[in-house]
Amino acid sequence: AQRVTQPEKLLSVFKGAPVELKCNYSYSGSPELFWYVQYSRQRLQLLLRHISRESIKGFTADLNKGETSFHLKKPFAQEEDSAMYYCALKYNFNKFYFGSGTKLNVKP
Amino acid sequence: DTGVSQNPRHKITKRGQNVTFRCDPISEHNRLYWYRQTLGQGPEFLTYFQNEAQLEKSRLLSDRFSAERPKGSFSTLEIQRTEQGDSAMYLCASSLALANTGELFFGEGSRLTVL
Repeated sequence: AQRVTQPEKLLSVFKGAPVELKCNYSYSGSPELFWYVQYSRQRLQLLLRHISRESIKGFTADLNKGETSFHLKKPFAQEEDSAMYYCALKYNFNKFYFGSGTKLNVKP
Repeated sequence: DTGVSQNPRHKITKRGQNVTFRCDPISEHNRLYWYRQTLGQGPEFLTYFQNEAQLEKSRLLSDRFSAERPKGSFSTLEIQRTEQGDSAMYLCASSLALANTGELFFGEGSRLTVL
């Protein structure tokens, strides 16, 4: 069965500090992983996907199949990065399994 | 705003009553999903449609829940004989199958409180 684990409920860092939000997955098939973000009073939206290998708002995430991880990283956090972050696994072609989320709080 | 629209945004009801939520997806999107989110959890898959066909339902979806998408446009999610455990945020999302990007476009959600 598929599963996504985000071990940290809350992550607090100071502005300018590096950030790493952890995500581990379990899936027997070929995984497609995503990070979604929800800013305060906004709807859930896509941040980035592993197949694009892109950097969005300074965030990157690398799929590590050996460690079954897809951690989200940013070298220098900004206050506007404060939000809920959800790791998601696409499975069975069309469905998405979301982790329980990590709240990132960037302090000034 | 051409994004996914959900209404009502908030619904407070008494246990045992029926409620219905509506979702209007982005117009050209042929896939539509319903998710449920409770406090401290991520969205949980309930069901999804491709055009008007309901292709899958989660085991979370009891017989009291029914979803429709007539004509492949808007969708409704009805909960009959509501229970306190149904209190949650109900999220709708849509996507374009051919795009194959995996991106879901979410609505703002409908929050249900069952007293």
